[in-house]
Amino acid sequence: GDSVTQTEGLVTLTEGLPVMLNCTYQSTYSPFLFWYVQHLNEAPKLLLKSFTDNKRPEHQGFHATLHKSSSSFHLQKSSAQLSDSALYYCALSVQGTGSKLSFGKGAKLTVSP
Amino acid sequence: AQTIHQWPVAEIKAVGSPLSLGCTIKGKSSPNLYWYWQATGGTLQQLFYSITVGQVESVVQLNLSASRPKDDQFILSTEKLLLSHSGFYLCAWSLDRSAETLYFGSGTRLTVL
Repeated sequence: GDSVTQTEGLVTLTEGLPVMLNCTYQSTYSPFLFWYVQHLNEAPKLLLKSFTDNKRPEHQGFHATLHKSSSSFHLQKSSAQLSDSALYYCALSVQGTGSKLSFGKGAKLTVSP
Repeated sequence: AQTIHQWPVAEIKAVGSPLSLGCTIKGKSSPNLYWYWQATGGTLQQLFYSITVGQVESVVQLNLSASRPKDDQFILSTEKLLLSHSGFYLCAWSLDRSAETLYFGSGTRLTVL
């Protein structure tokens, strides 16, 4: 079946350092990949979505590149900010299923001064 | 603009008591609707989805049921709560059936004692 793996459960960084959260996936078909962010006591919100034309999506300084050869969609940011502290979920959807988005276990990012 | 409203914001219920959580989407006709559950510290688990009025598909069996009585309304319920039902319940909608970008409501925090 389709699945997403996020290896880091907890990530602690100092403000200004680069961020990288890993996401790898397994899928029989060509999936769409997503990053959702959930701040404390809030609902998850879409951060990034992969494009079909291999463009690199960017939002709020975050970017991710879909690498089909390595089945990865790692989230990156050049310089962490305190406000980036949140839960980050990688998710996968297979085109045409119309019904199921599979989430990874999530990575809790804490940025300290 | 589309809005999604969940009610109640929080509930504290006794084991064995009934439960009804609601979700209403305004400004979008015929959305795909979803219920997700998030245990404390856990990932997002899809419970149900609905493509159209009167039709609901179950993804995970958790002694819960869902109904879609109107195009813009999605209800999650059970007749007998279990301790394991505690958590954060999120309603979501999507329109893009090919890539499933989800828009989440603010959620209901359920504590079962």
